[in-house]
Amino acid sequence: EAGVVQSPRYKIIEKKQPVAFWCNPISGHNTLYWYRQNLGQGPELLIRYENEEAVDDSQLPKDRFSAERLKGVDSTLKIQPAELGDSAVYLCASSSYRGRVFFGPGTRLTVL
Amino acid sequence: AQTVTQSQPEMSVQEAETVTLSCTYDTSESDYYLFWYKQPPSRQMILVIRQEAYKQQNATENRFSVNFQKAAKSFSLKISDSQLGDAAMYFCAYRSARVTGANSKLTFGKGITLSVRP
Repeated sequence: EAGVVQSPRYKIIEKKQPVAFWCNPISGHNTLYWYRQNLGQGPELLIRYENEEAVDDSQLPKDRFSAERLKGVDSTLKIQPAELGDSAVYLCASSSYRGRVFFGPGTRLTVL
Repeated sequence: AQTVTQSQPEMSVQEAETVTLSCTYDTSESDYYLFWYKQPPSRQMILVIRQEAYKQQNATENRFSVNFQKAAKSFSLKISDSQLGDAAMYFCAYRSARVTGANSKLTFGKGITLSVRP
C-alpha cells in the first residue's frame, strides 16, 4: 500500500515569491491534514479536510496561505507571498474515520 | 483547549539500556487517545505506540511500552534494550475521541531528542 505522497521534498525560494505543495493521501482516507513543523518543534495543524470540505482552518494564515482539496482526494497548499518566517517543514497526513493518522515525508521550505 | 507538554528537550541512553521519555497533558475530556511518534532526522514521522484513555492496561509494542496515569495526566514512553536506530525526535500527541470539529486534530508536544550511545 502506498503511503502519503508529498512533492516537492525540498524547496528554496526568495521571499515574496509564491510556492505550492502537493499531497496525495492514502487511497480511501477521507481526512487530510496539513501541518507545519518549525525547527525543533512539534507539528501544528494548519488545516484539516473531511473529504473536500475544510472543517478546521482556524490556524491557517488566510492572508497569504490557501489550500484546496478538489474532488476530495489530493490537496494543494499555497503560500503567496512567502515570508522568511514561513521556512519550515510542511507535513501532510491522512486518516480514515477514527483511524490511525499516517504522515507523509514532508516538504522542507527555505525562504531566503 | 488541550495541551501536551514535554519538558525534557534532550535525553541520552547507552545502547542496550532502558530509557523513559516523559509527557504530560491537559484536557477536560474523558475519552481520548495518546500517541508517541518517532521522527528520525530528515525522515517522516511514524507512529510508535497508541493508548486509548478508557483502557487501563498500558500499551506495549515490542521494546516500547507506556506508563499511562490518567488521573495524573501523565503518559511516559519506555524504550527497553535501546538500539542505535532508536535515535530520533520523539513526540507525544493527543487526540480527542470525538471525530468532529477541531477535536479531531493531533496536538503535539515540542518533542524530545533521544541520542543512543554505542
